[in-house]
Amino acid sequence: DAEITQSPRHKITETGRQVTLACHQTWNHNNMFWYRQDLGHGLRLIHYSYGVQDTNKGEVSDGYSVSRSNTEDLPLTLESAASSQTSVYFCASSESRRGNSPLHFGNGTRLTVT
Amino acid sequence: DQQVKQNSPSLSVQEGRISILNCDYTNSMFDYFLWYKKYPAEGPTFLISISSIKDKNEDGRFTVFLNKSAKHLSLHIVPSQPGDSAVYFCAASGGFSGGSNYKLTFGKGTLLTVNP
Repeated sequence: DAEITQSPRHKITETGRQVTLACHQTWNHNNMFWYRQDLGHGLRLIHYSYGVQDTNKGEVSDGYSVSRSNTEDLPLTLESAASSQTSVYFCASSESRRGNSPLHFGNGTRLTVT
Repeated sequence: DQQVKQNSPSLSVQEGRISILNCDYTNSMFDYFLWYKKYPAEGPTFLISISSIKDKNEDGRFTVFLNKSAKHLSLHIVPSQPGDSAVYFCAASGGFSGGSNYKLTFGKGTLLTVNP
């Protein structure tokens, strides 16, 4: 079965460190997304990609970057981790860019910045 | 500016009864609305969607109603089961446009607890 896998599931890092969260999907979807979930905010879009070499900023992109070198992977990098980036991060993919195309989410990475 | 609002952080219902989860939105350009369910330590999973040209969509025990004039939608679960206990997110999209950005705007979620 196709799936979307995030690693690691849990990560503790120190302020100022660079951190990369991995996302790998076997759906063969062109569209991939990174969200963060925080209490009181729901899910907020960080970055998204519509295909290889395409990346776009979401509503909370400051301090984050992504790269898309193949269809399967969209790693999320925190350039210099800050305590405000302590959160649960979800990667997702979708088959289509139609507004009713469901997102398939990974199980998340819980990141703690100390 | 929060464009998708779920004003009830939590809801508790008895097994077998109806659960009604509400969602309000402010952007009249939204033309698709989706509901996602999320269990602890898992990612959200798609539940049901509705297009703005419809006022109702049904899938088994789940029905979504859309009132465009009020900019309000609701998710009905009948009958509610303990396994339905989860966080429910309402999300809205502006639809596909060739050069435009497709992205979902999520509400903050409502925690549903179904008591046996």
